[in-house]
Amino acid sequence: AQSVSQHNHHVILSEAASLELGCNYSYGGTVNLFWYVQYPGQHLQLLLKYFSGDPLVKGIKGFEAEFIKSKFSFNLRKPSVQWSDTAEYFCAVNAWSGNTPLVFGKGTRLSVIA
Amino acid sequence: DTAVSQTPKYLVTQMGNDKSIKCEQNLGHDTMYWYKQDSKKFLKIMFSYNNKELIINETVPNRFSPKSPDKAHLNLHINSLELGDSAVYFCASSPQTELVETQYFGPGTRLLVL
Repeated sequence: AQSVSQHNHHVILSEAASLELGCNYSYGGTVNLFWYVQYPGQHLQLLLKYFSGDPLVKGIKGFEAEFIKSKFSFNLRKPSVQWSDTAEYFCAVNAWSGNTPLVFGKGTRLSVIA
Repeated sequence: DTAVSQTPKYLVTQMGNDKSIKCEQNLGHDTMYWYKQDSKKFLKIMFSYNNKELIINETVPNRFSPKSPDKAHLNLHINSLELGDSAVYFCASSPQTELVETQYFGPGTRLLVL
């Protein structure tokens, strides 16, 4: 069975600081990897996804993530955060073939302070 | 136009009642899902429907029954509501292709059982 670990429960950063949120997954086969964001009171939105090719994936709003297969990791990064990035961030995986449900990590709450 | 919509947005009810949550997507997708987000923000798949056929039913109590009248709708009916059912329920959809498809989430229905 697949599982996803997000090590940081709550991260607090000042504006303009750099961000890295950790995500590790456990699965015996090939996976697709996603980062979703949930702004306060809103639904989940896709930030970026990886399924093949260049392991460095660029998403919306200046976010990027790097897939490191040997470490089973898919960490999310942003060089300079803004107050508007305050949200809950979820890493998710599903099996490579077909449309299978996403398995989510427990989320990381990011608070950006001015 | 809203891609994935859910009604109601908020639902407050007494223990023991029966309630339904509706989901509609206008994206022409073939696969729809129900996820439950608990009080700790942990998201977990409940059901998945592909072309009106249930293809995954995780370990969810049989008080929960998904109903799909057509491929654009996936409703969730809950019998004999319990306190532990309080959560945010998200509907999602994705196309059925051989590619890695993004799941689009609805705004969520916040259920509170008193």
